[in-house]
Amino acid sequence: GAGVSQSPSNKVTEKGKDVELRCDPISGHTALYWYRQRLGQGLEFLIYFQGNSAPDKSGLPSDRFSAERTGESVSTLTIQRTQQEDSAVYLCASSLRRLNTEAFFGQGTRLTVV
Amino acid sequence: GESVGLHLPTLSVQEGDNSIINCAYSNSASDYFIWYKQESGKGPQFIIDIRSNMDKRQGQRVTVLLNKTVKHLSLQIAATQPGDSAVYFCAEGGSNSGYALNFGKGTSLLVTP
Repeated sequence: GAGVSQSPSNKVTEKGKDVELRCDPISGHTALYWYRQRLGQGLEFLIYFQGNSAPDKSGLPSDRFSAERTGESVSTLTIQRTQQEDSAVYLCASSLRRLNTEAFFGQGTRLTVV
Repeated sequence: GESVGLHLPTLSVQEGDNSIINCAYSNSASDYFIWYKQESGKGPQFIIDIRSNMDKRQGQRVTVLLNKTVKHLSLQIAATQPGDSAVYFCAEGGSNSGYALNFGKGTSLLVTP
């Protein structure tokens, strides 16, 4: 597609439920990132995928968070047993394989845990 | 890990004036820096980037300055317009960060008529 696409754009879930967020990167971009942005805050790094290399999971806040990516395409971020503090906008970005290149962001998924 | 931070959380300027947004970084091994603009309800948008072998780079109405000696980055916006109102983030990256970008907290720029 023309840009990074995320779905759903909004998600309201009950505390304790699992949620799955989807990201479609720009075609040809081998690097994919997930970030979390709480209201009025900066971007918090969660996880990074680069091609077939092992992902950098150092930013995942707990074992309730996991992410997968199939090859160099779609990625899903799963949050199990959601808590109210998980409420945030989850942003996905992709970039070309080269080191130090611009990352293009999607519009984000706004997650509200009630 | 080391982090990127911003000096000012908010900045208010008059339309037509020049704006300067500052950013301090602490990781001396960072070799790539980007400025992003984020409007309400949208994802961050690329403005301009600079590599560590440069100290200045200019775009359309924007200039990024990099001072590696004091680990300081700034974004200058010329003739600020109402459409420039947004939150601005600096980000740093490099091989030391596993190629992922680390973002600062952001500065909110408000352009008044």
